[in-house]
Amino acid sequence: KAGVTQTPRYLIKTRGQQVTLSCSPISGHRSVSWYQQTPGQGLQFLFEYFSETQRNKGNFPGRFSGRQFSNSRSEMNVSTLELGDSALYLCASSLEGGAKNIQYFGAGTRLSVL
Amino acid sequence: GENVEQHPSTLSVQEGDSAVIKCTYSDSASNYFPWYKQELGKRPQLIIDIRSNVGEKKDQRIAVTLNKTAKHFSLHITETQPEDSAVYFCAASISGAGSYQLTFGKGTKLSVIP
Repeated sequence: KAGVTQTPRYLIKTRGQQVTLSCSPISGHRSVSWYQQTPGQGLQFLFEYFSETQRNKGNFPGRFSGRQFSNSRSEMNVSTLELGDSALYLCASSLEGGAKNIQYFGAGTRLSVL
Repeated sequence: GENVEQHPSTLSVQEGDSAVIKCTYSDSASNYFPWYKQELGKRPQLIIDIRSNVGEKKDQRIAVTLNKTAKHFSLHITETQPEDSAVYFCAASISGAGSYQLTFGKGTKLSVIP
């Protein structure tokens, strides 16, 4: 079974631009969560999607948004990029979310904002 | 919301010694506590998890203990090996109706010295 796939792996953008990141979950997984990883801050929860609905959202500004398609693939969008948005963005999929289901992570998209 | 504190932030041990990483959580409703290992440049991978109805769980050289009263849980690695060198993250989740969110600690960088 293929693992969680994130594209692209690397991105370089300039301040003010917007960016879209993609995540394809493990086949059969319906829950996709997104995290921002920065040095010293660990993994910070952005949002979780299940069956095309956002179920939970972390403490990030409205510039961060996402969506999930009917095939469970998910995209994350960041508008009006700031230098502080430079980070590794990880997505994780699980069967249905919830404490019964293990989250499997993708390799991440490393975003650099110049 | 949930807050997870993780200590120490860095840990160096001699090969063959034991390593202990401790985490505390704030929300008594949390019921699932996974530990992830992230090697340099790789994705986080689940190494062990524990649920709130269990006090201890062991898998070969790795064990996790949970004290619900004190709201803390710990990772124990015995007979450490150089390949155990990585960043370890603890996490806690509250699973409610239609909601799922993993809150991570900031990580512990473990170095095993040969």
